[in-house]
Amino acid sequence: GQNIDQPTEMTATEGAIVQINCTYQTSGFNGLFWYQQHAGEAPTFLSYNVLDGLEEKGRFSSFLSRSKGYSYLLLKELQMKDSASYLCAVRDDKIIFGKGTRLHILP
Amino acid sequence: DAGVIQSPRHEVTEMGQEVTLRCKPISGHDYLFWYRQTMMRGLELLIYFNNNVPIDDSGMPEDRFSAKMPNASFSTLKIQPSEPRDSAVYFCASTDPSAPRQGTAGNTIYFGEGSWLTVV
Repeated sequence: GQNIDQPTEMTATEGAIVQINCTYQTSGFNGLFWYQQHAGEAPTFLSYNVLDGLEEKGRFSSFLSRSKGYSYLLLKELQMKDSASYLCAVRDDKIIFGKGTRLHILP
Repeated sequence: DAGVIQSPRHEVTEMGQEVTLRCKPISGHDYLFWYRQTMMRGLELLIYFNNNVPIDDSGMPEDRFSAKMPNASFSTLKIQPSEPRDSAVYFCASTDPSAPRQGTAGNTIYFGEGSWLTVV
């Protein structure tokens, strides 16, 4: 079966760092995605990992360990606009999403 | 380049009525996905197509739901008859066929703005 787990909610302070974890069990693997979704909007692409290791892109970084079925999204220098849901998704042929982590940023 | 286009954006309908949601994928994308999103269940994959052929419809909740892709630029998701529990946001998405490359958007999926369905 296919299963993707991530925390339901997290809270962090403006200017701080937060790490959102994702674990997965899928029949196949052709990459892991992170998406950001603001309330009332469609998900938008943040990152894609197909190789093990850390991929850095500005304030956002994503890590993958294929042997452990584990990924995390690291957000640095948090801003109020980062308040959103963060979705982990895995592709074999189809793309399956976790239920998302709702991130609250406190001033 | 236009993104994924969905219609209608919002629909309110009465229980028992037929609902048809429409999607135009990004030109050149060879995969098309239909998702449904609710607070309780998150983003669920309903069905996906590759080169207009349905590949996996195991996520379609029941026989009231059907989807078609008659050509590379158009797909429909139909609910007949609709029920209040079908109220959700329905997203259509398409993928870039380029080879997946670490860190890039290649092989990712692009979402339409969604169709917000309310069945009363």
